[in-house]
This record gives sequence, structure tokens and C-alpha cells, in this order.
Amino acid sequence: GIQVEQSPPDLILQEGANSTLRCNFSDSVNNLQWFHQNPWGQLINLFYIPSGTKQNGRLSATTVATERYSLLYISSSQTTDSGVYFCAVRAGGGNKLTFGTGTQLKVEL
Amino acid sequence: SQTIHQWPATLVQPVGSPLSLECTVEGTSNPNLYWYRQAAGRGLQLLFYSVGIGQISSEVPQNLSASRPQDRQFILSSKKLLLSDSGFYLCACPGQGGSYEQYFGPGTRLTVT
Repeated sequence: GIQVEQSPPDLILQEGANSTLRCNFSDSVNNLQWFHQNPWGQLINLFYIPSGTKQNGRLSATTVATERYSLLYISSSQTTDSGVYFCAVRAGGGNKLTFGTGTQLKVEL
Repeated sequence: SQTIHQWPATLVQPVGSPLSLECTVEGTSNPNLYWYRQAAGRGLQLLFYSVGIGQISSEVPQNLSASRPQDRQFILSSKKLLLSDSGFYLCACPGQGGSYEQYFGPGTRLTVT
């Protein structure tokens, strides 16, 4: 099956710093999503981005499907950005999302 | 937009006891429904999905089963829990209008003791 790798696995930032999270996948995909899992476990949809670039406030994402990677940019980070960020992909005609192992982000004052 | 409810929010059960977790969806009809499990705080794994009432597909062999008795209800069950069944269970469904984007419920945190 498709493999999804995220980097870095852990990241500590000072408030106000910028960061880039990366998601590599091993095969063509027809769906790619970024999620933020908050401390209560809720998965919050950030972007649905099988290709191209999208922006939402301080967050933006770019997927280069032909090169099989996606990037999530966080600018001017805040403590509320802390949590785990997941990339998930859907490949072929299947129904399931395959998740990466996540990036644990901690933003400190 | 759709809303996903899960019950209970947390559960502590002894080894060998039965399990029933419920997922209900509002704001959409005949959705595909999914059960995922997250262990050790990282990475979700698809357990079951359903494309309609009574239709269940299993992704991984395990101690659990799923049922879909109504269009917007998805049940995860076990006859006898194992320690390895501990984890965070999330129900998901696609967005409206044929979107492939998946949305997740608030989850059930299960601890088997």
C-alpha cells in the first residue's frame, strides 16, 4: 500500500516563528488532507489539497502531486498551534485515508 | 453541513468485557461511514467502512466488528475486549455534495484494564 512519511517528527518553536512541515507519499493520490489534532484529540480539518496551493489565515499548504509531496506552512506561530499535524492521502479507487505518523508541534512563549 | 456524534466520550472496560461504541451522523443522507483507531497518539488506521445499511468492509483482521443498522448510525463492537483494543476510536464521513474530504467525530477514548 501507499506509504506516507512526515517530517520532522517533533518541532519546538518560539511564539512568532514560522515553520514548514513536509509530507511525502509513495504513489499517486487523488485526495490529500492536512489535519490538526488538538490536545483533546479532535481532528480539525485544515486543508483538502490534492494539488496546488491554498491559504487560510496564517496557514498555507502546497501539494506538488507530480513530485509526491505536500508542505504545510505555519507563519507567526501561536501557542494554540501546538498539537499534532497529520497528513492523510487517498490513493486509487479505495475508500480509506492513509495517515502519516504526524508532526508533534510545541509552541512556547 | 454534516455533524458527527460519538458516544461515549471515554470508556474504561476490563479485559474480556463486551464493547459497543456508537457513531451517528446528522445533516447528510446515505453517507459512507468509517471507523478509525489511533494508538499511542500517532497515526490513524482504518478499521471498517460502510457504503450503506448492512454493508460492512473490514480493513484489518481483529477482535472487533462493525454494524450499520440505520443509514446514519455506525456501531463498533466486541464480544470480549483485549488489552490491545485500547486506543482512540474515531468515526468519519465525507463532506456533502460528493466531496472526497473526510470529517471526523470527536472520538471515544477506550482503556482496557
